[in-house]
Amino acid sequence: ELKVEQNPLFLSMQEGKNYTIYCNYSTTSDRLYWYRQDPGKSLESLFVLLSNGAVKQEGRLMASLDTKARLSTLHITAAVHDLSATYFCAVANSGYALNFGKGTSLLVTP
Amino acid sequence: AAGVIQSPRHLIKEKRETATLKCYPIPRHDTVYWYQQGPGQDPQFLISFYEKMQSDKGSIPDRFSAQQFSDYHSELNMSSLELGDSALYFCASSSGFRVNTEAFFGQGTRLTVV
Repeated sequence: ELKVEQNPLFLSMQEGKNYTIYCNYSTTSDRLYWYRQDPGKSLESLFVLLSNGAVKQEGRLMASLDTKARLSTLHITAAVHDLSATYFCAVANSGYALNFGKGTSLLVTP
Repeated sequence: AAGVIQSPRHLIKEKRETATLKCYPIPRHDTVYWYQQGPGQDPQFLISFYEKMQSDKGSIPDRFSAQQFSDYHSELNMSSLELGDSALYFCASSSGFRVNTEAFFGQGTRLTVV
């Protein structure tokens, strides 16, 4: 069974600081996704990572994938309040359905 | 751009009642996925359909059933509702099964069972 573990689950950080969210998964997969979810809202796709060494950046967020270590990271640079949300990593199983991590609730404070 | 449409957006039902959730995928998308997200939980995969056939099955209770119709829309039927079924139900759609397939999520249906 494919397991996806995220840490930390809760993160409070000051504006302007940097931090990294980690996502480990248990079995081989060639597709990893990062989503953002605001309270009660839908899942917004942030990144799709398809190959070992893939790195993608959008604004203050950068995601990377190491398929050998079965590890993805989501790095936040110079956090701003608008980044406060829950971030999920998800790994596709053989049937293309997604297994989600527990999510990281991020709160950016002044 | 057209997105995944779910209806209704909110639904309140009593225990033991039935509910039907509808999902209209992005045009030309042939694959639909259903997920359940309980309060403070991560989304859990329920079931998926590709070209109107069930393609994958997750943790869908036997009280639930789903299908995909000829126009590719999908319906999730839920019977004998329990309090624990209260959750956000998301539908996602994608186009085919390719290595770079990405699923796009709808706004969700919030089901409250009282």
